Amino acid sequence: DIQLTQSPSFLSASVGDRVTITCRASQGISSYLAWYQQKPGKAPKLLIYAASTLQSGVPSRFSGSGSGTEFSLTISSLQSEDFATYYCQQLNSYPRYTFGQGTKLEIK
Amino acid sequence: QVQLVQSGAEVKKPGSSVTVSCKASGGTFRNYVFNWVRQAPGQGLEWMGGVIPKFGTANHAQKFRGRATITADESTNTTYMELNSLRSEDTAVYYCARTLETDNGADGFDIWGQGTMVIVS
Repeated sequence: DIQLTQSPSFLSASVGDRVTITCRASQGISSYLAWYQQKPGKAPKLLIYAASTLQSGVPSRFSGSGSGTEFSLTISSLQSEDFATYYCQQLNSYPRYTFGQGTKLEIK
Repeated sequence: QVQLVQSGAEVKKPGSSVTVSCKASGGTFRNYVFNWVRQAPGQGLEWMGGVIPKFGTANHAQKFRGRATITADESTNTTYMELNSLRSEDTAVYYCARTLETDNGADGFDIWGQGTMVIVS
């Protein structure tokens, strides 16, 4: 199976900061990468698909980039509601979808 | 708007089975892939498998083959996930989620159920 490694696993930041989370795939996955936000006790929410396409209704401060094996999620100016855990997911190989281990974004 | 509503929490004994349901409302059911994803307490997300109702075909992650069965019932717009031979490590929240299909293919899971807690003890 394709492994996804996110970095960092934990990130401490302040409101207004620009933050970037990276996701590295163990083999090339073209642009078949999605990003999710999850808050405690809630289901994940799709933020970005096809590596860089913003899901409808998601604020424009979120952006994604990358292809092949290196991807990133950037939040341009952190808002209080953005403190959550973020996951990447590869959809290149069905039926062997995998998720990254997650990045917990905390308030500094 | 499409909504996925899952069945309620379950407490099961080791060695038993559990079936979690996920009912879709407000949209087309048969043409999409519906997936099951689980999350153990304090852990990450794990894809278990998916089903396409119009074909009735399911695919399961290798880890769950032989122990999990995912099905769909078009007459009730419901998908089911059955997990057998339960052990304590199966304690988790189980989510159903719909695949977002674009011209690019499968592009993420855009609609999620609320989650069902299964405790094995």
